[in-house]
Amino acid sequence: AQSVTQLGSHVSVSEGALVLLRCNYSSSVPPYLFWYVQYPNQGLQLLLKYTSAATLVKGINGFEAEFKKSETSFHLTKPSAHMSDAAEYFCAVTLDTGRRALTFGSGTRLQVQP
Amino acid sequence: EPEVTQTPSHQVTQMGQEVILRCVPISNHLYFYWYRQILGQKVEFLVSFYNNEISEKSEIFDDQFSVERPDGSNFTLKIRSTKLEDSAMYFCASTRDRGAFFGQGTRLTVV
Repeated sequence: AQSVTQLGSHVSVSEGALVLLRCNYSSSVPPYLFWYVQYPNQGLQLLLKYTSAATLVKGINGFEAEFKKSETSFHLTKPSAHMSDAAEYFCAVTLDTGRRALTFGSGTRLQVQP
Repeated sequence: EPEVTQTPSHQVTQMGQEVILRCVPISNHLYFYWYRQILGQKVEFLVSFYNNEISEKSEIFDDQFSVERPDGSNFTLKIRSTKLEDSAMYFCASTRDRGAFFGQGTRLTVV
């Protein structure tokens, strides 16, 4: 079975600072990996996805993530945090065709300090 | 931009009552899903649906739950006899390829 672990349930950064949200996965076969963002009282918005093409994936809102097989990681980064980035971020994994069920991590709440 | 639409946004029901949560997936998508998120917890998979049948389900999706695609656009989740522990945010999602698109969710409160 596949799983993801998000290190750090809360991350706080200053506006303009680097954002780094960590995600490690466990999978017996090559995974498909995703990052979703959830703003308060809203649904999940797809930020970016890794589907075995380029290992560095660019998403919306200036976010990117790098798939590192040797480290079983898919960390999410953004060079410069903006106040509007404050939200909960979920890493998710699926197998096979990528249409299978997603397994989500427990989420990381990002706070951005002015 | 096309989006997944869910109704109602909030539903309060008494324990033991039946509820139906409704979703309109993105029109050219072929795979449909229901997930739930109990307050403060992670998002959990319930069921996936493809070609008019369930393709995958979790252990959460027991006989109390059922899904249906009654016409070409709607996708519903029915809970037959709600329990207090069914209180959660329920998300519908759809995809054509890789990367599911989620609706805004229905907050179900069982009292």
